[in-house]
Amino acid sequence: GQNIDQPTEMTATEGAIVQINCTYQTSGFNGLFWYQQHAGEAPTFLSYNVLDGLEEKGRFSSFLSRSKGYSYLLLKELQMKDSASYLCAVMDSNYQLIWGAGTKLIIKP
Amino acid sequence: DAEITQSPRHKITETGRQVTLACHQTWNHNNMFWYRQDLGHGLRLIHYSYGVQDTNKGEVSDGYSVSRSNTEDLPLTLESAASSQTSVYFCASSEKTDSGNTIYFGEGSWLTVV
Repeated sequence: GQNIDQPTEMTATEGAIVQINCTYQTSGFNGLFWYQQHAGEAPTFLSYNVLDGLEEKGRFSSFLSRSKGYSYLLLKELQMKDSASYLCAVMDSNYQLIWGAGTKLIIKP
Repeated sequence: DAEITQSPRHKITETGRQVTLACHQTWNHNNMFWYRQDLGHGLRLIHYSYGVQDTNKGEVSDGYSVSRSNTEDLPLTLESAASSQTSVYFCASSEKTDSGNTIYFGEGSWLTVV
């Protein structure tokens, strides 16, 4: 079967750095996405990785290792507005998105 | 700005009633999707369409149907609403770009079946 695993919940301090991990087992691979979802709102696109390595976008970076079936989202200089759920999704060989259940990130002052 | 809109945003209905959730996008995307999101689960795909007159079943399609008569709209119908269909429903659309097939979501429709 296809599976995406990510921690259910994480807590971090304002101004700090947090890494949210995602491991996957899918039928083929055509890219990995990270989305941010604030409570009661729609998911919004953060990043896309299809090749191994690190993609940086401001305070957010996403890393991919295809051989390990592993990705992480790194958030730097955490702000209170970063409190949200972070969803990992993998596009499989049929170009279907397989979604993780999401990681709820709680930021404390 | 191009966008994707859903209506109604909130609805309460009775068991056994037919319900239709509307989805309209102005990006001219070929691909459209309906997901449901429940606590403890990731987004689960209900139905999807890759173009006009094309519809496909997703992971949790039982009790739902869609139709695609034009590029802009993909209405989702619950034929006979059940309490298990109480959920938040997201419509989404995509087109292949340099960022892969990035999916963009509507604001969501909260459905309660009593």
